Amino acid sequence: ETGVTQTPRHLVMGMTNKKSLKCEQHLGHNAMYWYKQSAKKPLELMFVYSLEERVENNSVPSRFSPECPNSSHLFLHLHTLQPEDSALYLCASSQDRGREQYFGPGTRLTVT
Amino acid sequence: AQSVSQHNHHVILSEAASLELGCNYSYGGTVNLFWYVQYPGQHLQLLLKYFSGDPLVKGIKGFEAEFIKSKFSFNLRKPSVQWSDTAEYFCAVTFYGQNFVFGPGTRLSVLP
Repeated sequence: ETGVTQTPRHLVMGMTNKKSLKCEQHLGHNAMYWYKQSAKKPLELMFVYSLEERVENNSVPSRFSPECPNSSHLFLHLHTLQPEDSALYLCASSQDRGREQYFGPGTRLTVT
Repeated sequence: AQSVSQHNHHVILSEAASLELGCNYSYGGTVNLFWYVQYPGQHLQLLLKYFSGDPLVKGIKGFEAEFIKSKFSFNLRKPSVQWSDTAEYFCAVTFYGQNFVFGPGTRLSVLP
């Protein structure tokens, strides 16, 4: 399934690095999402973009910075992360909020 | 706050056993309901969804779920599980067409 792609699939970064996660959806959807999936915790919604505008930011630390340049692309810029930020970061898209979401494979992030 | 609970953290079954995974949500308003599955090493996939109409919905791979509004529940069922159903199962709810709230997940292990 290639509806939602994410790169890179794995990322190891130091606490002082700056990196970006990329998500692309090929489904013609108008809403995109970033989630954090940690072991033994429910999926945490981080950011929501609808029609390329950020509509929700669930109290995410400023070291995570999203960007949505168009309806098909979503980025998550990372800087000065902490080890507890190590997790699987999932991107999803949907045709309108509240409809079923389609997920990418995720980026496995390890902060050392 | 709106929340979704899943009754079991880990379920272990033998092949051909019947499966029922519980899901309850906290709010009594307008909801859309979903079940997702995450096979080991794979991305989240939609199993089935309910928006309106017949409260018994059928999904892929022989799964079905029943919406019982009076009980705020949306339980997932399968009459006979296979080893390949080993995965993590997530219930999700949108309230008034807004963002998904995911349950914590239930890990299903099917013994051959």
